[in-house]
Amino acid sequence: GAVVSQHPSWVICKSGTSVKIECRSLDFQATTMFWYRQFPKQSLMLMATSNEGSKATYEQGVEKDKFLINHASLTLSTLTVTSAHPEDSSFYICSARLESIAESTDTQYFGPGTRLTVL
Amino acid sequence: GQQLNQSPQSMFIQEGEDVSMNCTSSSIFNTWLWYKQDPGEGPVLLIALYKAGELTSNGRLTAQFGITRKDSFLNISASIPSDVGIYFCAGTDRGSTLGRLYFGRGTQLTVWP
Repeated sequence: GAVVSQHPSWVICKSGTSVKIECRSLDFQATTMFWYRQFPKQSLMLMATSNEGSKATYEQGVEKDKFLINHASLTLSTLTVTSAHPEDSSFYICSARLESIAESTDTQYFGPGTRLTVL
Repeated sequence: GQQLNQSPQSMFIQEGEDVSMNCTSSSIFNTWLWYKQDPGEGPVLLIALYKAGELTSNGRLTAQFGITRKDSFLNISASIPSDVGIYFCAGTDRGSTLGRLYFGRGTQLTVWP
């Protein structure tokens, strides 16, 4: 259980175009999802926290108009990279929060990632 | 944001050897998580810890939540080639909202046959 999918797994686009990445929790509901960016040989860098039914919370230095996040349902969050440029090329990973108050557990499950290459 | 201190940064071991890595934080954490990431993939959850002193196993993996709530370790016994990858520790502190995770820099594990 606790599977998170991402689509697409990789995308190549021209500079100036927009790219949408989907993140789905397949077997659980997630009121909170997270979007990360990862550079080669580095740890995950949190970009924003996606909250179902409300606006996303962005980390300092992340442009909210550049990286649009929509959490339309309890199983889907999308990240749209608008007017992409080569410097936006990276590995983008989402995660979904699975919390159980009854069991006092709080875990994040990650998607497989999306490799974005902007030409 | 807070950065966890994870060590060692890399390890080169022979198949069959045991491995140990650890993480420390400057603040008290209420959850410690250990992930493994293969190249080009997302992190996969290995072990989750929720109580101070908790010792949890998952096959050849064993992890502990430190008594001070500021540290955790992960042990891998009898390593095999498929253990190769990057291992990340992550945790949430008491002041964290919405379950935000803080990550270590990762431990790159290489296993020689």
